[in-house]
Amino acid sequence: DTAVSQTPKYLVTQMGNDKSIKCEQNLGHDTMYWYKQDSKKFLKIMFSYNNKELIINETVPNRFSPKSPDKAHLNLHINSLELGDSAVYFCASSQIGGREQYFGPGTRLTVT
Amino acid sequence: SQQGEEDPQALSIQEGENATMNCSYKTSINNLQWYRQNSGRGLVHLILIRSNEREKHSGRLRVTLDTSKKSSSLLITASRAADTASYFCATAPGNNRLAFGKGNQVVVIP
Repeated sequence: DTAVSQTPKYLVTQMGNDKSIKCEQNLGHDTMYWYKQDSKKFLKIMFSYNNKELIINETVPNRFSPKSPDKAHLNLHINSLELGDSAVYFCASSQIGGREQYFGPGTRLTVT
Repeated sequence: SQQGEEDPQALSIQEGENATMNCSYKTSINNLQWYRQNSGRGLVHLILIRSNEREKHSGRLRVTLDTSKKSSSLLITASRAADTASYFCATAPGNNRLAFGKGNQVVVIP
């Protein structure tokens, strides 16, 4: 019954590695998002897809690449991980942009 | 209060008391939303108020919006220990995104 799910919940890896985070929503929403929450809990949008089309692409290093195979899934791949990438990454979805968003439980990424 | 440039605020209250937190923003908006985040969890949508509304209620929550002052407040009445969380306001300026404030940490002491 989970509305927005993410895997994995925790990810510990070394600098330079490549990792992926997966997100799925079963709400039938058209729009999905990736956010990064830093240690001070500031939430910053990274990407947004609407019906598999990229509509928001904030100033994010091109080491981050989102992929939406269908409108229920939005994955995030990160290449050459750096210490500063350590954060909690949240996936979210909404019916349309600007309306209430439903968040996943987050993926805590720790880069050592 | 929450603003784009301020540090998060913290509020500590006794169970049963009311908790009020504020949010200010800078651009025109279509709506303003409040979210709750419990420790280690994702954000949960609480309430949405449209730009043409001034006040909205949902259970123990009361939200006000003053578009002339570009500010909103969230009141939680008769607080409970389970209300301990961070509360975020988010504005929808109409470009398919939400802009989140930095959050207010509320601790309700049993």
